[in-house]
Amino acid sequence: AQSVTQPDIHITVSEGASLELRCNYSYGATPYLFWYVQSPGQGLQLLLKYFSGDTLVQGIKGFEAEFKRSQSSFNLRKPSVHWSDAAEYFCAVVLNTGNQFYFGTGTSLTVIP
Amino acid sequence: DAEITQSPRHKITETGRQVTLACHQTWNHNNMFWYRQDLGHGLRLIHYSYGVQDTNKGEVSDGYSVSRSNTEDLPLTLESAASSQTSVYFCASSDRESPLHFGNGTRLTVT
Repeated sequence: AQSVTQPDIHITVSEGASLELRCNYSYGATPYLFWYVQSPGQGLQLLLKYFSGDTLVQGIKGFEAEFKRSQSSFNLRKPSVHWSDAAEYFCAVVLNTGNQFYFGTGTSLTVIP
Repeated sequence: DAEITQSPRHKITETGRQVTLACHQTWNHNNMFWYRQDLGHGLRLIHYSYGVQDTNKGEVSDGYSVSRSNTEDLPLTLESAASSQTSVYFCASSDRESPLHFGNGTRLTVT
């Protein structure tokens, strides 16, 4: 079955520390990959996307993600976390054909001063 | 700027009532989606549409229906609201090889 896994339900980091949020997918082909962020009471905002080409992609707010085909992973990273990064983060995939997005269950990020 | 507008932002209704949540997009996207978001489940797809007069069931479609009479709108109807349908509902749109664009959600409470 096709699936997207975010193994960390909740992560707490100190402000200024580095961050890595994990995402693994299970599909027969390489999908398009996305990370979204959701602040409380808001919709989801696109952080970055991977379609093809360079496997390290840069996004907004200083985030980046690396696609690793061998590991079926698309982990999100940030070198230095800010208090405003506290939010819910969702990994999503869509197959090359069709346009149905599948989401992970999300990772909640808490940033402590 | 193009956007997706959902209305109402908040809705309280009683069990058994019919409820319709509106979604309007100005992206001119062919594809539109309805998701519900619940703690521990992330986003689950309810219904989606790839164009006018096209509708498809998602993984949690029971008790919901949609119709697509034009490109801009995909209203979601709860035929007979149940307490299990208390949730936050998100509408989204996209086109081929584009990201999903989301509305700000509708918080529905069924009492």
